[in-house]
Amino acid sequence: DAKTTQPPSMDCAEGRAANLPCNHSTISGNEYVYWYRQIHSQGPQYIIHGLKNNETNEMASLIITEDRKSSTLILPHATLRDTAVYYCIVSGSARQLTFGSGTQLTVLP
Amino acid sequence: GAGVSQSPRYKVAKRGQDVALRCDPISGHVSLFWYQQALGQGPEFLTYFQNEAQLDKSGLPSDRFFAERPEGSVSTLKIQRTQQEDSAVYLCASMVEGNSGNTIYFGEGSWLTVV
Repeated sequence: DAKTTQPPSMDCAEGRAANLPCNHSTISGNEYVYWYRQIHSQGPQYIIHGLKNNETNEMASLIITEDRKSSTLILPHATLRDTAVYYCIVSGSARQLTFGSGTQLTVLP
Repeated sequence: GAGVSQSPRYKVAKRGQDVALRCDPISGHVSLFWYQQALGQGPEFLTYFQNEAQLDKSGLPSDRFFAERPEGSVSTLKIQRTQQEDSAVYLCASMVEGNSGNTIYFGEGSWLTVV
């Protein structure tokens, strides 16, 4: 599976959009971009995934660049409850998820 | 239930003791996974079942770790002769097949502390 690079930490003001970047320059054509988050003391929570088109659901939007070498997870109106570690994972299948260190997002009041 | 259920939620074991961790996947999910998460790190894959068949156990750290899913639903992760380095959160997950890619859902985890 392709490796990903994420900033170790980010801050965001409550009510503002949180934009979390992820670089995956070695992604191959059949690999998806998955985003999970983990709130302290809980199991990882699925957020969204995509192949090459931008995706949106009730939680977030996923923007994937045309060359697929990077992506951005957007939380449109961050709340304090969105404080968590966010993992960007690139894989051909959810059977083969390799979690890195993720980005610690802190939403500030 | 609606989600992946794990028990016990917390377990303290004395070094050398055997432990068993249970996972109830989401109803109807054929695929089941176990992950291990050490403090401050991301989850690491241990093993994968499709129904009752254990298709991948490449992540099990030693032969003291054993997982089973005899009837293709509930799974048990057993750790024999626990060591301090086994202290971690053990996460169970199950998977639904979607139209594009697939989605894995995690339980809350079983927190194991070996003293």
